[in-house]
Amino acid sequence: EIVLTQSPGTLSLSPGERATLSCRASQSVGSSYLAWYQQKRGQAPRLLIYGASRRATGIPDRFSGSGSGTDFTLTISRLEPEDFAVYYCQQYGSSSITFGQGTRLEIK
Amino acid sequence: QVQLVQSGAEVKKPGSSVKVSCKTSGGSFSSYAISWLRQAPGQGLEWMGGIIPIFGIPNYAQKFQDRVTITADESTSTAYMELSSLRSEDTAVYYCARSLNLNDRMLFWGQGTLVTVSS
Repeated sequence: EIVLTQSPGTLSLSPGERATLSCRASQSVGSSYLAWYQQKRGQAPRLLIYGASRRATGIPDRFSGSGSGTDFTLTISRLEPEDFAVYYCQQYGSSSITFGQGTRLEIK
Repeated sequence: QVQLVQSGAEVKKPGSSVKVSCKTSGGSFSSYAISWLRQAPGQGLEWMGGIIPIFGIPNYAQKFQDRVTITADESTSTAYMELSSLRSEDTAVYYCARSLNLNDRMLFWGQGTLVTVSS
C-alpha cells in the first residue's frame, strides 16, 4: 500500500501568516488522486482539496493544493483563527485508500 | 442536502462484535459509495473498506479483511459495518463517509460513533 508521510508533525504560526504543509508518498500517486482534509477537535474531517489542487465546494480560496507524483503541498495563504486544526492528506489512486498521520496547525 | 447519521456509542467486551449503522438522506443512496473509516484516540484516520450499494460487493482494506463486514440496505438507505473479534486496540471513533466512487475522496461524513472495547 502507499504510505503517506506528512511534515511537519506540528506547525506553530500566528493568524495572518502563511502555512505550508507537506505530504510525501512512498510511490507515485496515480492521476494526482490526492486529497486534503481539515479536522477540528470532536468533529468529522472536512474535505478541502481533491485531485491535488481542486478546491472542494465552499472552501475559501486561501486554501490551495499543489504537487504531483510523490510530493504534495497544502498552502494556507493567510491564516484565520478558524484554520487552526489538524490536516490530513489522503491518496485514492490505488485500490486501498491511505491517509497521512496528520499535521497539527497550532496558534503560536 | 446529503446527511449521514450514525448509530450511537457502544461499549463492548473483548472477543465480541459490534455493528454500526449509517443512515443517509439526500441524493441517491444506491449509486454512490459508502466507506467506513476509524480514528483511535489521538490518532489519524484509517480506511477500513467500502461498498457501492447498487453493486453490493464490498472492498476491504487488507488489515481488516478477516474481521469486517460491510453491507448496505437499499430499502432503508442504510449502510452497516460489523467488526468481529474485538480487542482493546479497536477502541476508536468509527465514521462512515460518502464518495462518488469506491476509491475516491470523501465528500460527506457521518458524525462518528465511539466504540469502546473494555473488559
